[in-house]
Amino acid sequence: DQQVKQNSPSLSVQEGRISILNCDYTNSMFDYFLWYKKYPAEGPTFLISISSIKDKNEDGRFTVFLNKSAKHLSLHIVPSQPGDSAVYFCAASVRGSGDKLTFGTGTRLAVRP
Amino acid sequence: DTAVSQTPKYLVTQMGNDKSIKCEQNLGHDTMYWYKQDSKKFLKIMFSYNNKELIINETVPNRFSPKSPDKAHLNLHINSLELGDSAVYFCASSPGRFSNQPQHFGDGTRLSIL
Repeated sequence: DQQVKQNSPSLSVQEGRISILNCDYTNSMFDYFLWYKKYPAEGPTFLISISSIKDKNEDGRFTVFLNKSAKHLSLHIVPSQPGDSAVYFCAASVRGSGDKLTFGTGTRLAVRP
Repeated sequence: DTAVSQTPKYLVTQMGNDKSIKCEQNLGHDTMYWYKQDSKKFLKIMFSYNNKELIINETVPNRFSPKSPDKAHLNLHINSLELGDSAVYFCASSPGRFSNQPQHFGDGTRLSIL
C-alpha cells in the first residue's frame, strides 16, 4: 500500500516558467512533509519542508503548498532553471515515529533552455 | 567535506556471497538510517539507529544485519545474497529521532547480484 504517491513520473518545462510538482498521500497521521531533489548517481538532497500546521512554506524560488483536506501537496519552482532538472521526491512522516520517512516514487523534471 | 559517506559506491558480487556496506556521518547526528531503492525507484526505509540503538526495523529479512559501532557509523551486512537484493542502498542521518529535521543522505551503494 503506497501511502505517498506522485502520479506524474515526468514533467518538462521551459526555462523561466513555473514548474509544479504534485504529491498525494493517504495516511492522515502524516504531519511533516518534505521535498528532496536527486541527481543521477547522487543521494537525495533536502529541498524544503512543511509542517501540517502550515499551508505554505517558501524558500527562494521554491514554495511548498499543503492542502490537508485534500491530502495533497505541491512544489512550485519559479522561475525554473536548467540546473533544476532532476528527480524530485515527496516524503512524509508522523511525529513521534522516529523520523521514519515514507517516500513517493519521484517525478523527473526536465527544464528546457 | 562529505557529510554522509558510503563505501563502496559500486558492489558487484555473486549470489550466495556475504557483503558489507559502510556508512559514516560527520554531522554529529544521533540517528542514522538505511534505505533501499529498488528497480522501480521506490525508496523504502529498512533500519534506523539512534545512538547505537535499533529503533526501526521494517520487516527486512534477517539476512540483513545493521551494526552501529558508534553513533557516527552504521554498517549494513548482508548474508547469502539473492538476486532480489540488487538495488541502490542509501544511508542517511538526522539530528535525532523526534527532531523532525531533514535527513541527509549519502550518495548510495549500487549493489548488483550476478
